[in-house]
This record gives sequence, C-alpha cells and structure tokens, in this order.
Amino acid sequence: DTEVTQTPKHLVMGMTNKKSLKCEQHMGHRAMYWYKQKAKKPPELMFVYSYEKLSINESVPSRFSPECPNSSLLNLHLHALQPEDSALYLCASSQVVWEGYEQYFGPGTRLTVT
Amino acid sequence: AQKVTQAQTEISVVEKEDVTLDCVYETRDTTYYLFWYKQPPSGELVFLIRRNSFDEQNEISGRYSWNFQKSTSSFNFTITASQVVDSAVYFCALSDPPQGGSEKLVFGKGTKLTVNP
Repeated sequence: DTEVTQTPKHLVMGMTNKKSLKCEQHMGHRAMYWYKQKAKKPPELMFVYSYEKLSINESVPSRFSPECPNSSLLNLHLHALQPEDSALYLCASSQVVWEGYEQYFGPGTRLTVT
Repeated sequence: AQKVTQAQTEISVVEKEDVTLDCVYETRDTTYYLFWYKQPPSGELVFLIRRNSFDEQNEISGRYSWNFQKSTSSFNFTITASQVVDSAVYFCALSDPPQGGSEKLVFGKGTKLTVNP
C-alpha cells in the first residue's frame, strides 16, 4: 500500500481564521514533506520532517506552522493567511530522507483564502 | 546548481499516437536520482519511475518507456499507443545528495499532455 491521505480535500478560510491540514501515512516511512503548488507550476518544498524532527524549513512564513505528532502524522497549522497563500497543499512521504527514495504524494488540500 | 528543463509546455495528441516527453537535467554530482511523476486533474502526484545515475539501462513498463542518456543529460519518457487516461501534467525531477541529511527534489516545470479521443 502506497497511500498517503490528506484532509480536508478543500478548505476555504478567511484571513483571520485558524485551520489545520492533516496528512497520514501507514507505510512506515520516516520522512514526511509539505509542498505548496500554485496553478500551472511545479510543487515547491515547504518543510521536511525526518524521524519526527523538522530538518528543512524553506524560509516559509511563520503563519504556516508544521507539526509531526508521530511517525504517521503530519499537520500544517494555518493562521492569518493571505489570499496569495491560496494553492494546492501536498503532503508526501518517503522511507527515509535520502535522495534515492521516491516520495509518495497525497491527493492534496485545495486551500482558498478569502 | 541542479536544474531540470522540460522544454515542452503542452503537447496534444490523438489517441493511439506515441508521444515522447523530454527532460534535460543539470547537476555537478556524479550520484543523483531522476524521477517521473504524473499529475492528473485530480491533483495527486503519482510516482512513475526512479533511475539512479549509475544505471543507464532503459526501462519499459507496459506502454511506458524511459530513455536515460548521461551523455546528453536526458531522461525522456515515451508513452506508446496513448490513451485518454494518460492526459495529465508530467513532471521530471532530480534529487541531489543529502545536504546535512536532508533531501530535496528539483522539479521541471512540467509538460501538460492532452490525449484526444
């Protein structure tokens, strides 16, 4: 099973709201990733977690706050977002953080900030 | 710096035609990995293939085949007898050795393939 699940599928939030995106995998992977993808663009890496510890933060604004409660779960907490943050947010996982392992992606959450 | 170029922005073919998606990469590393992902309109990126820099053997999987040529820094993807379900955006990606134990995927800009019935 190579499934990564993400909830919710769609999210509309105002600029003053607080919301969270959730990602889950049961493949025993120890590396998990958040990507942001704008329309007609490739995914952009936001965060990488390795063994539940944050290993990469690609200079993401603090209004995005990641959390990895355990090896299967990854959350992205959202607060005071801007309309330009509207995008598809993709979660991915891989066996470990190493260049040779493929990443498996979830279906994404389509976020609209109003 | 690593870079992946997919020069074809959009391709449109008629069902049953063969189509090749081009991917050219740049890296100074001798060890690297190349990937192809498919992104249908639903949004999920689907992993298709991984190739390491020491394995230049071409690969075939059903209607899909990949041609890896280090001499030209290319990793092209061919779909034989295309079908409507192949319509998607296809991304080629490059992964460099870990920096401080972390991995990054460098994506090309993607090629949108439309297969018309």
